[in-house]
Amino acid sequence: AQTVTQSQPEMSVQEAETVTLSCTYDTSESDYYLFWYKQPPSRQMILVIRQEAYKQQNATENRFSVNFQKAAKSFSLKISDSQLGDAAMYFCAYWRGDALNFGKGTSLLVTP
Amino acid sequence: DAGVIQSPRHEVTEMGQEVTLRCKPISGHNSLFWYRQTMMRGLELLIYFNNNVPIDDSGMPEDRFSAKMPNASFSTLKIQPSEPRDSAVYFCASSPRGREKETQYFGPGTRLLVL
Repeated sequence: AQTVTQSQPEMSVQEAETVTLSCTYDTSESDYYLFWYKQPPSRQMILVIRQEAYKQQNATENRFSVNFQKAAKSFSLKISDSQLGDAAMYFCAYWRGDALNFGKGTSLLVTP
Repeated sequence: DAGVIQSPRHEVTEMGQEVTLRCKPISGHNSLFWYRQTMMRGLELLIYFNNNVPIDDSGMPEDRFSAKMPNASFSTLKIQPSEPRDSAVYFCASSPRGREKETQYFGPGTRLLVL
């Protein structure tokens, strides 16, 4: 089974600073997809970023970027210039070929 | 596009009652997923459909749960009879065909409380 591990239950960052959320996964596949989703207090699941494993280039979306280390099976999310609206649960997810496997999530607190 | 639509947004019911959750996927998407989120178990896949056909229902907890997708624009998840341990947030998600088929778009969720 492809497992996804988020080892940081909670993280804190000051406004305007940078924070990195960790994610590791386990798979024997060579081609797959990885995602980060954000879940604010409204509970809505919002797609943040997507990475295709065959692409060596790290995906970026504005202030959000990933550090994809395929050999290490690591997929961390970097949030630059953190804003109060970034406070949320962040879930890492692995596309298993037909559906997503999610990690347990990291709760991000943003302080003024 | 309106996004994935779920109803109701909140449901409070008593143990033993039937509960029906509804989902309208994004137009043109051909895959639909039902997830359940609890504090203890996180996000769990319950069942998913491709082209209205159930593909994998191994995540459905027990026979009290059933799901249908009678057409491309509507799906239901039914719990009968409901139990307090079914209290959770239930999400519906859909994904398109083609190059982006791995990318799922979620609805706002239905928060279910069974008393």
